[in-house]
Amino acid sequence: KQEVTQIPAALSVPEGENLVLNCSFTDSAIYNLQWFRQDPGKGLTSLLLIQSSQREQTSGRLNASLDKSSGRSTLYIAASQPGDSATYLCAVPPSSTSGTYKYIFGTGTRLKVLA
Amino acid sequence: GAVVSQHPSRVICKSGTSVKIECRSLDFQATTMFWYRQFPKQSLMLMATSNEGSKATYEQGVEKDKFLINHASLTLSTLTVTSAHPEDSSFYICSGRPLTNEKLFFGSGTQLSVL
Repeated sequence: KQEVTQIPAALSVPEGENLVLNCSFTDSAIYNLQWFRQDPGKGLTSLLLIQSSQREQTSGRLNASLDKSSGRSTLYIAASQPGDSATYLCAVPPSSTSGTYKYIFGTGTRLKVLA
Repeated sequence: GAVVSQHPSRVICKSGTSVKIECRSLDFQATTMFWYRQFPKQSLMLMATSNEGSKATYEQGVEKDKFLINHASLTLSTLTVTSAHPEDSSFYICSGRPLTNEKLFFGSGTQLSVL
């Protein structure tokens, strides 16, 4: 059974810092991996999707990497801003079920960027 | 990106009543939609997969008679919490995926409070 873990659970940094959020998954046979952002009391916004054949994806100040063999993904946020404050979630479909998109979510990292 | 509209955003009801939550894909057709629930400071837990024109498939431990799902069209899925009780109070979120896009798009969520 696929399990997804995220560390740290919470992070508070001053504005301008570069930071790394970590995501680990137990079964490396994934189809893809997505990173999401969730603001308090809101739905989720997809940030980046990495296919199993890719090693990284970039969007603006965000860069996500994927190491399937070790069951890890990292989300790198450059030059953090107060507006980046949110909970960041990673999610993977269960192993060997490509196409069903029944994502399993990590517990998230609550990020607070201080002005 | 694709847009998923979810209503209502917040509902307060008395114990024993039923509550319907709507999830609409505004600019794409969704043969499959997913319903999640999220408790405070916890991650999303998949409740069920809503299939257009057929019965929903429920995750283990989710009562299908309590959480009724209807997916009558390619753009609308509804979740009805029947005979709601205080323990059903939670944040419910739906998601869908366009056929031409592998990303999941989420509604803004519904905060249900049962008194």
